[in-house]
This record gives sequence, structure tokens and C-alpha cells, in this order.
Amino acid sequence: QAVLTQPASLSASPGASASLTCTLRSGINVGTYRIYWYQQKPGSPPQYLLRYKSDSDKQQGSGVPSRFSGSKDASANAGILLISGLQSEDEADYYCMIWHSSAVVFGGGTKLTVL
Amino acid sequence: QVQLQESGPGLVKPSETLSLTCTVSGGSVSSGSYYWSWIRQPPGKGLEWIGYIYYSGSTNYNPSLKSRVTISVDTSKNQFSLKLSSVTAADTAVYYCARVPFYYDFWSGYYAGAFDIWGQGTMVTVSS
Repeated sequence: QAVLTQPASLSASPGASASLTCTLRSGINVGTYRIYWYQQKPGSPPQYLLRYKSDSDKQQGSGVPSRFSGSKDASANAGILLISGLQSEDEADYYCMIWHSSAVVFGGGTKLTVL
Repeated sequence: QVQLQESGPGLVKPSETLSLTCTVSGGSVSSGSYYWSWIRQPPGKGLEWIGYIYYSGSTNYNPSLKSRVTISVDTSKNQFSLKLSSVTAADTAVYYCARVPFYYDFWSGYYAGAFDIWGQGTMVTVSS
């Protein structure tokens, strides 16, 4: 079982909100991790969006709009990236990441389609 | 502002060693506030962390690649490098270099953050 699992794809309408999940493997408690989120558009490197551990331990990436926000669902053992007021430019691949035992682990990525 | 630029051969033969360099401009690889890292992305697939180096030379590698990877730093040239030995077609990917800052938290102590600055990436194909 992968350390981080993301749904392969998600579709949402312009102006709506999209909730992208990043589920941690059983036995790895989401509450103890800082979850990092990246956006990647075709032909470009990933761009750091934000970090979320708790409401008192979070960070917005430089220049990242406030309509991108992070949270957690402890019951699902998952980190969540919420994108509100979806725009066509938000169509991209989104990756979550954690530092686990001094190593970096990425989720498999979610392709967000805005249509 | 800090910029990273990857360079190296775009084509490597199977069983040979892939060698890439990342040149840091607008900042110093000798800064004690960052890790310097390599990440790769096979065509159409997700991101895979390869490893990182601190300016002192200390390293940490992805366990799945550890036996084949060496990351080094040249502070005089403000560069860090990646060597991946015994390559196969599975190593065909876009290779990115990236910077990771450190932070301090009273409860956690020092911890590494996000990959906040990335190079544009360089495509490496393994083929005879």
C-alpha cells in the first residue's frame, strides 16, 4: 500500500469548489504530519502551493491566492486541498507530499479538470 | 531571486551513469538554511524524490534508489550534482533540482519544508 494515495482524477465546474484528498497509509497518523501541496501544469515544474498541519501550523506559498487552502480529515486519515472559486487556470495536476522518516514521499497526483 | 538550472546529457546509454548538475544563481549553495535536492518525473507519471544534500556534504537518498545514487556539492562553483549508475529505460524522466528551506518550531525543533524553488527540469532518455 502506498504511503500517500490520491484519486487519479477529479472534475469540477468553474466557480465551484474542489476538494482534493491525500490519504495516508494505515498506521501513519495524519495528525503528526505537515502536508505539502504542489500544482503542476503541462511542461512546467511543480509549484509549491501551501503547507498544512493545523490551523496554527500552516503556510501559504509565495503569491498563492487565498482560495487555495488546506485542512485535514482525521477520521479519514487524510489531508485536503480545497480550491474555491474554481477557474479554468486551476486545471492542472496536484501532488501532496510529506516528510516521512527524513525522506520525502509524494502522492501519485490528481488531475483536476475544470469544465 | 534564486534560480536553479539543470544541465547535462539528454541521452544516456543503458548500464552507464547519468550525470547532471544544478547551478544555483542569486543565492548560495553554502547557505546553512537549505537542503538541495533532486526529483524526477517519468513521462506521464508522478514525482519521485531522489535525494538531497546539505552544503556540508551530508546526504539522504530515496531507499529505492540509494544503491545507485550519489549527490555531491561544489561550493566553489555554487553547484550540486547527481550521479545515477547502471541506468535502464526505467530511469528515463525529467530530472528537476530544487531547494528545501529549514524552519524552526518550538515543538518540532528544526524541520525541512517544501520544495520552494525548482529548476525548469531536463529530460534524460536512456536508450542505446
